[in-house]
Amino acid sequence: GAVVSQHPSWVICKSGTSVKIECRSLDFQATTMFWYRQFPKQSLMLMATSNEGSKATYEQGVEKDKFLINHASLTLSTLTVTSAHPEDSSFYICSAMLGGAAYEQYFGPGTRLTVT
Amino acid sequence: AQSVTQPDIHITVSEGASLELRCNYSYGATPYLFWYVQSPGQGLQLLLKYFSGDTLVQGIKGFEAEFKRSQSSFNLRKPSVHWSDAAEYFCAVGAGQAGTALIFGKGTTLSVSS
Repeated sequence: GAVVSQHPSWVICKSGTSVKIECRSLDFQATTMFWYRQFPKQSLMLMATSNEGSKATYEQGVEKDKFLINHASLTLSTLTVTSAHPEDSSFYICSAMLGGAAYEQYFGPGTRLTVT
Repeated sequence: AQSVTQPDIHITVSEGASLELRCNYSYGATPYLFWYVQSPGQGLQLLLKYFSGDTLVQGIKGFEAEFKRSQSSFNLRKPSVHWSDAAEYFCAVGAGQAGTALIFGKGTTLSVSS
């Protein structure tokens, strides 16, 4: 089946620094990838939709200058949390869509970000 | 606005007993509906989906769900739960163009007792 990986799986950074999270579709090409944020014991909240070769579309309330998304190739999307603060600590999950059908959306295992 | 409600935060069932997880949605058009399972350290795995047609859909791992338009519900069921089914379960509705943006419920934690 289609596999999506994320790297790193866990990262700790100091307040004010930036951290990059990678999302890769390992065995398929994904024209569209999604980034979600999940707080403990809560739902996944869609942050942005990333389309290869174009600018990401951010959901309302998501700061695009803080959460930089780059979808440079059909197998890689990156999320950079800039000038991180403790409130950015969360679980970030990406998904990659195979083709144009919603049901073929495959999720990565997530990245736990802790900002100290 | 689209939304998904999972009324039960935590459910405990005995191994071998039947299971039903509730999901209600709010969506103007015919929804795309999904159930995902999340286990620690693993990505969300799609259990089943509903787009159209037969309102009773079969999924993986012995799960099924029934779409009831009149009740705006898409409840997940399994006739006999196994200890390995303990996990977090999310119901989601596909919104936007072609249902590509997923709106998730808050999830239900399933515990299985022996």
